[in-house]
Amino acid sequence: DVKVTQSSRYLVKRTGEKVFLECVQDMDHENMFWYRQDPGLGLRLIYFSYDVKMKEKGDIPEGYSVSREKKERFSLILESASTNQTSMYLCASSFPLPTGGRGNQHFGDGTRLSIL
Amino acid sequence: DQQVKQNSPSLSVQEGRISILNCDYTNSMFDYFLWYKKYPAEGPTFLISISSIKDKNEDGRFTVFLNKSAKHLSLHIVPSQPGDSAVYFCAASGRGGGATNKLIFGTGTLLAVQP
Repeated sequence: DVKVTQSSRYLVKRTGEKVFLECVQDMDHENMFWYRQDPGLGLRLIYFSYDVKMKEKGDIPEGYSVSREKKERFSLILESASTNQTSMYLCASSFPLPTGGRGNQHFGDGTRLSIL
Repeated sequence: DQQVKQNSPSLSVQEGRISILNCDYTNSMFDYFLWYKKYPAEGPTFLISISSIKDKNEDGRFTVFLNKSAKHLSLHIVPSQPGDSAVYFCAASGRGGGATNKLIFGTGTLLAVQP
């Protein structure tokens, strides 16, 4: 069974702090994703990675960066946390797309981040 | 611009009846659609999907219908059970996305199944 593990379920940080959210998957997936979920806005893609050291911006990358030094680990970094980054953060992973096929994304349980 | 829309933020249904959740999309390049279910304090879990070459896919109590001309899909749950109470997200992906199956998610519909 696919396991995507996010290091913290709940996190409280202060404005201006540098915040690290960690995600580890055990299925040797090439693709990894970071989303945030907000009421009325659904899931919005922040960044994704399709290989080690490779990353691409999603729809809302401002204020965030990512790191993927190993295939199984994808980190989301809030460079200088602000109150509008209070949210539920979700990590996901998947296999790449073979021709004619689709790889469903597998999600972690999320990190509820509060910025005070 | 919201490419995937779920216009009903919430839906309440009696146990045993049918639940119908709707989703509209605007991008004609989308060719694969998924439904995810999310309980509070858990990550979304994959429920069912459909390719654009089909108009219906069924898995047990769950059926997804796709109307390409209307750019509309719906999820039917029959019969509904209290354990189905959750937020349901539809998602879409399209051709030309390369090796990444980047998904575009809707805003979600909260389904409450009353005993």
